[in-house]
Amino acid sequence: AQSVTQPDIHITVSEGASLELRCNYSYGATPYLFWYVQSPGQGLQLLLKYFSGDTLVQGIKGFEAEFKRSQSSFNLRKPSVHWSDAAEYFCAVGPQSGGSYIPTFGRGTSLIVHP
Amino acid sequence: GAGVSQSPSNKVTEKGKDVELRCDPISGHTALYWYRQSLGQGLEFLIYFQGNSAPDKSGLPSDRFSAERTGGSVSTLTIQRTQQEDSAVYLCASSLARAGYNEQFFGPGTRLTVL
Repeated sequence: AQSVTQPDIHITVSEGASLELRCNYSYGATPYLFWYVQSPGQGLQLLLKYFSGDTLVQGIKGFEAEFKRSQSSFNLRKPSVHWSDAAEYFCAVGPQSGGSYIPTFGRGTSLIVHP
Repeated sequence: GAGVSQSPSNKVTEKGKDVELRCDPISGHTALYWYRQSLGQGLEFLIYFQGNSAPDKSGLPSDRFSAERTGGSVSTLTIQRTQQEDSAVYLCASSLARAGYNEQFFGPGTRLTVL
């Protein structure tokens, strides 16, 4: 069965510092990969997605992610974090085998930004 | 355009009562999903609709949970005889097509508290 691991439950960075959130997946074929962000009290919003092609994907709000097949990773990065980036970040891989097409979500990483 | 809306935003109920949670997806989105998000947990898939049919109900935790979708649009998640462990945020999402391949658009959620 496919799975997604986000090893870090919490990440704390200072405003202006660089950020990398880790995501590792287990999947039997070429995966569809997503990063979503959830601000407090809100639903999830798509940051970026990877389906094929260039392994470095640009998203909204200055985020990017790199697909590394050899490491089964899809880490999210941002060169300079803003206080407004404090949120919960979810990595997801889809679709599930068996035809239900439901993506599998990681447990999330909570980003705390210090001024 | 309008996004996914959910109502109510908050619901407090007593153990044993029934509750109904509503989701209005983005117009034209054929796929609709319900998830449950407990504190500190990731997203737990509940049910998936394609049009008015539910090809995947595998995530519903018990027979106290049911959902329907009418007119290919609005969906209602019903929890009968609520228990304290049902307390969570219930998220609805919609997508143009199958979510494993496509972006999901999430509503803000309904926070359910069972006393």
